[in-house]
Amino acid sequence: EAQVTQNPRYLITVTGKKLTVTCSQNMNHEYMSWYRQDPGLGLRQIYYSMNVEVTDKGDVPEGYKVSRKEKRNFPLILESPSPNQTSLYFCASSTSTSGGGTDTQYFGPGTRLTVL
Amino acid sequence: SQKIEQNSEALNIQEGKTATLTCNYTNYSPAYLQWYRQDPGRGPVFLLLIRENEKEKRKERLKVTFDTTLKQSLFHITASQPADSATYLCARRNSGNTPLVFGKGTRLSVIA
Repeated sequence: EAQVTQNPRYLITVTGKKLTVTCSQNMNHEYMSWYRQDPGLGLRQIYYSMNVEVTDKGDVPEGYKVSRKEKRNFPLILESPSPNQTSLYFCASSTSTSGGGTDTQYFGPGTRLTVL
Repeated sequence: SQKIEQNSEALNIQEGKTATLTCNYTNYSPAYLQWYRQDPGRGPVFLLLIRENEKEKRKERLKVTFDTTLKQSLFHITASQPADSATYLCARRNSGNTPLVFGKGTRLSVIA
């Protein structure tokens, strides 16, 4: 089954304790991205990756890191989480937009993060 | 910057009626617009994509239009059902490799 998986689904942590949210897709997609979703603010992109070893900042990258060492994985790293990073996080993947392709996003199930 | 706006935060409609959701964009037309459905606590699910040169796209009870003069896309659900209750998001990509931009969504409630 084609899917995007995220782990963990729920996480409660404390300020300053480093954490990683994993994301994996089995569709051989070039493009992967991370979003956070907050009430009243909608979906905002944190980071995206056009392909292996290629990452770039989205609209709200501060306080986050990503890496893309393999095509299928795109972990989100919070080196020193703070309460304002409490949010619902989604990983998404899509095919490349080169050659006239469209970037229909396939989203993971979400990770609800609470930073105390 | 290029913006995308869904003016209605919430829309209530009676079962069986046609729901119409609006998505407006600024400045130049995107190559295409996408519409997604999102249920509470779950990831958005792609529904339809309409290209700039397409006036209308249909899929079962769904219809999307793209009006470059009004800079607007309309999303219609005909014969709406309570199961259609969800938040609907529109999205655009401004150009090339720039990030996909989502509207804030419209929460549709279909009342039996």
